[in-house]
Amino acid sequence: IAGITQAPTSQILAAGRRMTLRCTQDMRHNAMYWYRQDLGLGLRLIHYSNTAGTTGKGEVPDGYSVSRANTDDFPLTLASAVPSQTSVYFCASSDSFRQSSIGYTFGSGTRLTVV
Amino acid sequence: SQKIEQNSEALNIQEGKTATLTCNYTNYSPAYLQWYRQDPGRGPVFLLLIRENEKEKRKERLKVTFDTTLKQSLFHITASQPADSATYLCALGVWIYNQGGKLIFGQGTELSVKP
Repeated sequence: IAGITQAPTSQILAAGRRMTLRCTQDMRHNAMYWYRQDLGLGLRLIHYSNTAGTTGKGEVPDGYSVSRANTDDFPLTLASAVPSQTSVYFCASSDSFRQSSIGYTFGSGTRLTVV
Repeated sequence: SQKIEQNSEALNIQEGKTATLTCNYTNYSPAYLQWYRQDPGRGPVFLLLIRENEKEKRKERLKVTFDTTLKQSLFHITASQPADSATYLCALGVWIYNQGGKLIFGQGTELSVKP
C-alpha cells in the first residue's frame, strides 16, 4: 500500500441498502476526510477526523456516518442509500492544517450509483 | 455567502502557450491556497501551496499568485504541453471555529492543450 487505498472502486447499490466505503492510509497522517464530487459542484466535505478517536461533520453530512477507531482507517457508511447519494467519493488525508505544505493526499475514489 | 469560483468554461490553448487559470473567492479569510490537478477517473493530486503572506510561488513550469486584497489566485502553466490537459482545482485552507483547519474546493477548470 502506498498512500490511500479506497474500496470498492465502483458499486451499484439498491436504494435502501446499507453500505460501507473503506479507506486506509499508510502515511500515519493525523487527519482524514471524506469528500463527494458531483458535476458542477466540485468536491464537498462530508465528514472529517482531525485525529484518531474524533470525528466531525462537514458541509453535507446527512445520510452518512464515519468512525475513526485507529490512525489508518476511516470508513464511511451510508445507513440507507438514496439516489441523491449517487456520486464519486474520495477519501483524503493530511498531516496537519498548519503543516500542509505538501497538501492533501487523495485516494482514487469510489464511484457509487444508487438505483 | 461564501463562494469559490473558478473559470466555469473549459480553457483550450495551443501547445507552447501559457495557460492562465483563475480562482476567485468571497467571504473567506484563507490561511493559504492550494492548487490540485485531477485526471479523469483519478483523485486530485497536490501541485502547489501559497500562503496568505506570499505573493508568488513557482515550481518548474508552474506559477501561482495570490492577492488577498482582490481575493484572487492565478495559476499559470508556461510552455504548455498536451500532457498538461486535465482539470485544475483551487482550494482554500481556512480555519473554522470548533472544527479546525479545512480545505474548501472550487469546482475546477478543465484545461485542454492542443498540439
